[in-house]
Amino acid sequence: KNQVEQSPQSLIILEGKNCTLQCNYTVSPFSNLRWYKQDTGRGPVSLTIMTFSENTKSNGRYTATLDADTKQSSLHITASQLSDSASYICVVSAFWYGGATNKLIFGTGTLLAVQP
Amino acid sequence: DGGITQSPKYLFRKEGQNVTLSCEQNLNHDAMYWYRQDPGQGLRLIYYSQIVNDFQKGDIAEGYSVSREKKESFPLTVTSAQKNPTAFYLCASSTGLDQADTEAFFGQGTRLTVV
Repeated sequence: KNQVEQSPQSLIILEGKNCTLQCNYTVSPFSNLRWYKQDTGRGPVSLTIMTFSENTKSNGRYTATLDADTKQSSLHITASQLSDSASYICVVSAFWYGGATNKLIFGTGTLLAVQP
Repeated sequence: DGGITQSPKYLFRKEGQNVTLSCEQNLNHDAMYWYRQDPGQGLRLIYYSQIVNDFQKGDIAEGYSVSREKKESFPLTVTSAQKNPTAFYLCASSTGLDQADTEAFFGQGTRLTVV
């Protein structure tokens, strides 16, 4: 069964500190992996998208890594800011010939709270 | 500004009523999608459309209906047959017809509550 699991469920850190969020997946055949940021009550916004051949991709203070062998990804946030408080969702897509159903498999997200 | 606009932001429905959620995009995207988000669960696909006048069921289509009469618009109707409609609904669009390979852009969501 195609699944995406994220850890931790929630995380509290102090402003200025770094943190790392984890994503494990069992999706096959793998196409790409995305990280989204979702502010409370808003739609998700894309942070990074990585294909099978990419190990690392950065977007400002966000750095995503991908290990396709172990089927793990992480999102590292550097020098956190109060505006980083949000839910971070890992999304894995699978090749699917015909139809788009289940092509994107969403994790349940990690809720990050950055405190002053 | 280009983007996806969902309306209303909040919607209250009495039991037994049908309600329609609006989704409009000016990104010239061919593909549009509706997702449902519940606490503690990942987004689940309700319906998707890859071209005007055509749409397909997703994983949880029961109790929902859609139309795609225009490229820019993909309204979702939550019917009285949907037994547990209270949720956060997200509309998305993408540049290509293959959802897995193209960037998906999301609207700001509509929170539907049954009263």
